[in-house]
Amino acid sequence: DTGVSQDPRHKITKRGQNVTFRCDPISEHNRLYWYRQTLGQGPEFLTYFQNEAQLEKSRLLSDRFSAERPKGSFSTLEIQRTEQGDSAMYLCASSLGGLEDSPLHFGNGTRLTVT
Amino acid sequence: QQQVKQSPQSLIVQKGGISIINCAYENTAFDYFPWYQQFPGKGPALLIAIRPDVSEKKEGRFTISFNKSAKQFSLHIMDSQPGDSATYFCAASRNYGGATNKLIFGTGTLLAVQP
Repeated sequence: DTGVSQDPRHKITKRGQNVTFRCDPISEHNRLYWYRQTLGQGPEFLTYFQNEAQLEKSRLLSDRFSAERPKGSFSTLEIQRTEQGDSAMYLCASSLGGLEDSPLHFGNGTRLTVT
Repeated sequence: QQQVKQSPQSLIVQKGGISIINCAYENTAFDYFPWYQQFPGKGPALLIAIRPDVSEKKEGRFTISFNKSAKQFSLHIMDSQPGDSATYFCAASRNYGGATNKLIFGTGTLLAVQP
């Protein structure tokens, strides 16, 4: 499978705990995006990287959220001191920057439930 | 601020019928308009996309119609099949540096095709 891979698929945590998600993009893709999707809504942009540089962060990304892409390959999204409002599907996507119409390829997401 | 408005929220179509989903956008700087299909438990997958220099694009049973002056675009699914039952999202973005970036999604349309 050469698609975008996300781990874990599901995460249940108690409020106040820290969680970390991992995304492995398509290998030749230099752009990586994180989105959040709540039930019945479209994905909302959180942040994106070009190679290892984080180029944009949404206002949705509070100080409790941090994303890294240390070697320009896989990425991690950490949520500190989780809150019930953080419960959502966290989607990762990748694309090949520099080409017109390079589509975003999404992974199957990590579903976070905060109890 | 919702920059992409999608309707209807849900749609029921008989097998063989035409499914039509509409979207309207606000930002005239948007220049890339994709449609994504999402099945339960899966990430969104690109279905078809259009740029504003054309008014229509067809791929198989799927057609995008684009009206730049009205800032509207729609997805038509011809000969709808039960396997098309999914949630459909329209999206829009500006083109930075030759590659699509930071998709803004609509709220989704849940399509049910009855056999």
